[in-house]
Amino acid sequence: DAGVIQSPRHEVTEMGQEVTLRCKPISGHNSLFWYRQTMMRGLELLIYFNNNVPIDDSGMPEDRFSAKMPNASFSTLKIQPSEPRDSAVYFCASSTYTGFNEQFFGPGTRLTVL
Amino acid sequence: EDQVTQSPEALRLQEGESSSLNCSYTVSGLRGLFWYRQDPGKGPEFLFTLYSAGEEKEKERLKATLTKKESFLHITAPKPEDSATYLCAVVGTGFQKLVFGTGTRLLVSP
Repeated sequence: DAGVIQSPRHEVTEMGQEVTLRCKPISGHNSLFWYRQTMMRGLELLIYFNNNVPIDDSGMPEDRFSAKMPNASFSTLKIQPSEPRDSAVYFCASSTYTGFNEQFFGPGTRLTVL
Repeated sequence: EDQVTQSPEALRLQEGESSSLNCSYTVSGLRGLFWYRQDPGKGPEFLFTLYSAGEEKEKERLKATLTKKESFLHITAPKPEDSATYLCAVVGTGFQKLVFGTGTRLLVSP
């Protein structure tokens, strides 16, 4: 099993640019989660999907952030326009949906906004 | 609001020196408490899930315990390869929504 796949692994962009982060969950997992990790705030849940449907997006910081899951094997997190305070490591995780199960994390995307 | 507090923030041990990490939580209706390990530059790796007070789980040199207000991760005779950040998270009535603590950075010196 390849595990959760994220791309790119590193992204450096300038303020105001659009950023798109990508995630491929583990095959057979029907729940997908996007997290952001910073030194100050730790690991924070941004949004999660069950069976491709967004369930809770209360952690999305602003309207500049959007996430989609067009099918069971692909999700994107988009930031438009990006700001320096968006610099962080963004993780995608997936799990089977049986209420609450362990989540398997990808390697993360380190985003730097200049 | 669900909250998780981990202590200490950082811990330095000599190889073989046993110790414990603490995770205190406030949650409405605990459904599960999770321990993860995170190595630098990597995503968190699942270790344990505990569901009810009194429950214990073990894996190699690690043992996790749970009470109604806190969880402990006991590390027995640690080795340098146990060096990592250990994260605690809870799921309450938010169902699948994990709330993480900020972690304990463990460094084990040979």
